Amino acid sequence: VIWMTQSPSLLSASTGDRVTISCRMSQGISSYLAWYQQKPGKAPELLIYAASTLQSGVPSRFSGSGSGTDFTLTISCLQSEDFATYYCQQYYSFPWTFGQGTKVEIK
Amino acid sequence: QVQLVQSGAEVKKPGSSVKVSCKASGGTFSSYTISWVRQAPGQGLEWMGRIIPILGIANYAQKFQGRVTITADKSTSTAYMELSSLRSEDTAVYYCARIVPAARIGAFDIWGQGTMVTVSS
Repeated sequence: VIWMTQSPSLLSASTGDRVTISCRMSQGISSYLAWYQQKPGKAPELLIYAASTLQSGVPSRFSGSGSGTDFTLTISCLQSEDFATYYCQQYYSFPWTFGQGTKVEIK
Repeated sequence: QVQLVQSGAEVKKPGSSVKVSCKASGGTFSSYTISWVRQAPGQGLEWMGRIIPILGIANYAQKFQGRVTITADKSTSTAYMELSSLRSEDTAVYYCARIVPAARIGAFDIWGQGTMVTVSS
């Protein structure tokens, strides 16, 4: 099983801030990583796959980087609709696993 | 536009089974791969397994092996997830999700609305 450490678990930020969320793997996964946004009571939404490919329709203020064991999700200029919980997910090997989540809250 | 519509909420007794459906519309169901992901109240996401309908092949997370069965009916464009020997820890929202239809991608681009399963005596 590939273990994932996502940090921070809670991030307090203001509109307009640049924020970064980290996801570290217990072993290398090349670029087989995705990022999701989830709002309360809703299904997750795909933001990025293959570590850095922006899903169609997702604003360009979201970006992903990294390969191997260390990955980052960056929101360049936080908007009000971005306050949510974010998850990373590896699909390099079964079982596919998710990070513990990062809640981005209003400062 | 592809949509996944899941069956309604369920309340089950410990030791029983539940079967959740996920009906696809707006695309070619047999060309998809469908996964099931669950989320316990206030907790994170947990992958349970996937099925490739055109091949009828399913893969399961070891944690659920022997308790979960994922199937697909191409004639009705519906995927199913059956979980047996239910216990209170299985109380969760269960989601079906389509995997991005591209080679070597295991990310989920379209999700069902979720089905709440409550296990309680």
